[in-house]
Amino acid sequence: QKEVEQDPGPLSVPEGAIVSLNCTYSNSAFQYFMWYRQYSRKGPELLMYTYSSGNKEDGRFTAQVDKSSKYISLFIRDSQPSDSATYLCASSNTGKLIFGQGTTLQVKP
Amino acid sequence: GAVVSQHPSWVICKSGTSVKIECRSLDFQATTMFWYRQFPKQSLMLMATSNEGSKATYEQGVEKDKFLINHASLTLSTLTVTSAHPEDSSFYICSARDPSEGMNTEAFFGQGTRLTVV
Repeated sequence: QKEVEQDPGPLSVPEGAIVSLNCTYSNSAFQYFMWYRQYSRKGPELLMYTYSSGNKEDGRFTAQVDKSSKYISLFIRDSQPSDSATYLCASSNTGKLIFGQGTTLQVKP
Repeated sequence: GAVVSQHPSWVICKSGTSVKIECRSLDFQATTMFWYRQFPKQSLMLMATSNEGSKATYEQGVEKDKFLINHASLTLSTLTVTSAHPEDSSFYICSARDPSEGMNTEAFFGQGTRLTVV
């Protein structure tokens, strides 16, 4: 079993839709959770960073962590074609990031 | 935010030759850097942790003699793929944290290097 699981998609939505991206993890020691966005042939860029359970909002993006169910989510409101990318969740407790497989998102105009 | 620069962004080399990839932290001193490998449509797999002034720590299954890591200064780590073969073709990415921000804070990634071995 992978430590962080993520549905690779692809996920295709119309412009303006609310997008829900999800990951599960197995290691209950994980305390830090991140979402990265990666465009094709580029390095990942950090979108959201949360510690322990709870919600965090930044503009159109909301990250949720539910440690009781080991479930992490990223919501994108009013999705734009420029949001089309691969979204990677990652977890950490020792300084070493463990990544999910990444979900490919396409937002159609 | 902090910037990590990686060079080159792409390289094509002949089978049997060696290739060096550089990773620099531009506005902070990184005592630790990380090297990842990513195959198409797959996640980032940690290859090794590069520690300034000491030997790198390699993940299980990664050949340390093939993937040489040198972290000679607080702003530069290099990954050398020795005697490259076509199966080494991949996207290599480095990342670093600003140590003043703590061990588990956000990591900043380089732009990645696409290596093609022909």
